[in-house]
Amino acid sequence: QVQLVQSGAEVKKPGASVKVSCKASGYTFNTYGINWVRQAPGQGLEWMGWISAYDGNTEYAQKLQGRVTLTTDTSTSTAYMELTSLTSDDTAVYYCARDRFSYSSTSIGHWGQGTLVSVSS
Amino acid sequence: QSALTQPASVSGSPGQSITISCTGTSSDFGAYNYVSWYQQHPGKAPKLIISDVNDRPSGVSNRFSGSKSGNTASLTISGLQAEDEADYYCSSYRSTHTLFVFGGGTKLTVL
Repeated sequence: QVQLVQSGAEVKKPGASVKVSCKASGYTFNTYGINWVRQAPGQGLEWMGWISAYDGNTEYAQKLQGRVTLTTDTSTSTAYMELTSLTSDDTAVYYCARDRFSYSSTSIGHWGQGTLVSVSS
Repeated sequence: QSALTQPASVSGSPGQSITISCTGTSSDFGAYNYVSWYQQHPGKAPKLIISDVNDRPSGVSNRFSGSKSGNTASLTISGLQAEDEADYYCSSYRSTHTLFVFGGGTKLTVL
């Protein structure tokens, strides 16, 4: 079965960077894209970006352009999300989520369990 | 402010049907039929229940159905059950840059 297992919770100071990992199993990693979505405490979902595990193409939310970088390591079936210049507004649960269909980025299917990133001085 | 507009809350009694609306612009819904709905229980990750307006993934109850008319998409849950109490989010695909936009979420209470 498809599984996305994310790295553990992080506590960061303002101005620092964070890198969250998402290890995939149960499917052919390089045939699906991975999205990253975050959810601030008590708030809704916010799409951050998408990366093709096939060719590394990326799309980023305009709001986060320049601060977020998505990468993949096909040898370990792992996706990464790095966010720099953190502020308290970046405190959220960060989810990785696989495209529902292979070679198609039109819907998000399976989700990881989420990683809480807390930013506080 | 979310790109898609949903009611903050809806409620219904067991066995009843409820509908959650999701309103966007022609940029969100006009060109594509790529509307999705997610269910999220407290402290859990979202779960896809509808994609492509009205396509249910394997294992999702047929009590969930979706539709779209113009710039409004809708999720209907029939035969409400206590386990349906959760937050529901709509989402639409956009072809470039910001691939997905979400609604602000709707809290469903089963009375």
